[in-house]
Amino acid sequence: AQSVAQPEDQVNVAEGNPLTVKCTYSVSGNPYLFWYVQYPNRGLQFLLKYITGDNLVKGSYGFEAEFNKSQTSFHLKKPSALVSDSALYFCAVRDIWGDSNYQLIWGAGTKLIIKP
Amino acid sequence: EPEVTQTPSHQVTQMGQEVILRCVPISNHLYFYWYRQILGQKVEFLVSFYNNEISEKSEIFDDQFSVERPDGSNFTLKIRSTKLEDSAMYFCATSRDRERQPQHFGDGTRLSIL
Repeated sequence: AQSVAQPEDQVNVAEGNPLTVKCTYSVSGNPYLFWYVQYPNRGLQFLLKYITGDNLVKGSYGFEAEFNKSQTSFHLKKPSALVSDSALYFCAVRDIWGDSNYQLIWGAGTKLIIKP
Repeated sequence: EPEVTQTPSHQVTQMGQEVILRCVPISNHLYFYWYRQILGQKVEFLVSFYNNEISEKSEIFDDQFSVERPDGSNFTLKIRSTKLEDSAMYFCATSRDRERQPQHFGDGTRLSIL
């Protein structure tokens, strides 16, 4: 069965430090991977995606993520955190050519807190 | 940048009443979705809609739920007889395709069932 795991409910980082929000997935076919961010009282906002090609993908607001097929991971990273990065982050996967439909499978979300 | 718009932003309804949540998709998007989220927790898929019919639906999307695109622009979610546990944020999302393109979300409707 397809699944996405975000092992940390919350990540605390000091402003200016690098941040990592972890995501691992399990699919039967090839994954299309997405990261979204949700600010308070707002909808989810697309950050970046991995479809094919370079394993390192760059997205909005200075975020990037690295697709690691052997570790089935797609961790979100940023070299220098800002207080404004504090939000809820969701990883999602679509299983292409597997047994699934086209539905996005969502992680449970990770709350990122950046302290000044 | 085009946005998905949802109305109302907040809906308060008595248990057992019907509610209709509305969404205006981005104009060149063909795939439409409804999700719900309880208390800022996990995003739960409800249904996807393409070419005027349901493509996929989850176990949550039972007979009390329905979707339609009544006038070619609005995309609606109807909950026929609301229950207390239907209280949640409901998000509409749209996308240009169902594989590679990201889904674009509205800011949601907060549904409170009394």
